[in-house]
Amino acid sequence: QQQVKQSPQSLIVQKGGIPIINCAYENTAFDYFPWYQQFPGKGPALLIAIRPDVSEKKEGRFTISFNKSAKQFSLHIMDSQPGDSATYFCAAERGGGSEKLVFGKGTKLTVNP
Amino acid sequence: EPEVTQTPSHQVTQMGQEVILRCVPISNHLYFYWYRQILGQKVEFLVSFYNNEISEKSEIFDDQFSVERPDGSNFTLKIRSTKLEDSAMYFCASKAGPTSEKLFFGSGTQLSVL
Repeated sequence: QQQVKQSPQSLIVQKGGIPIINCAYENTAFDYFPWYQQFPGKGPALLIAIRPDVSEKKEGRFTISFNKSAKQFSLHIMDSQPGDSATYFCAAERGGGSEKLVFGKGTKLTVNP
Repeated sequence: EPEVTQTPSHQVTQMGQEVILRCVPISNHLYFYWYRQILGQKVEFLVSFYNNEISEKSEIFDDQFSVERPDGSNFTLKIRSTKLEDSAMYFCASKAGPTSEKLFFGSGTQLSVL
């Protein structure tokens, strides 16, 4: 119930493509869903996040789609660039005072020039 | 942008030895965390710390682990007697306050237990 399942494990796209990374969760107590981007040798950095009261959120080229009934959310990267090549983690946090982020296993994205 | 600073970046130790991983959170932040990432696996929560006490900990954070904020700037993770399976990248993180959503991670300390 505490798991967040992320797919695919790796993804290769051409520059300009739209990679989509999917996550699913079981615990309906989760109420905050961030995506983190991690470059080699660096810590995860918050990219974009959503709460279940909205179905979509856009920030620049990054969009989260959220389907509360299906308990799924996904990250779309528009017009992907080689500089977007990184590992992307979805995560979820339970409300009610818990401060623990539960991470997915990560997706290694490669954007070829 | 402000940064969470972790030292050392790499630490090698012998099994059974004590290690202390150090972190300097962002200066006006009040909530502090340790996460770890075993090679090729997901990032896992270890502990959260607020107002000089642990607010939440995971099953991983057993009696071998402890955290401390010894002064106004540092936040440390101590592993009393390291095991081979403690080998991982350890990330410190901090955030400003209870309603702040943005968690800032450091670059991590790669701990290798031999």
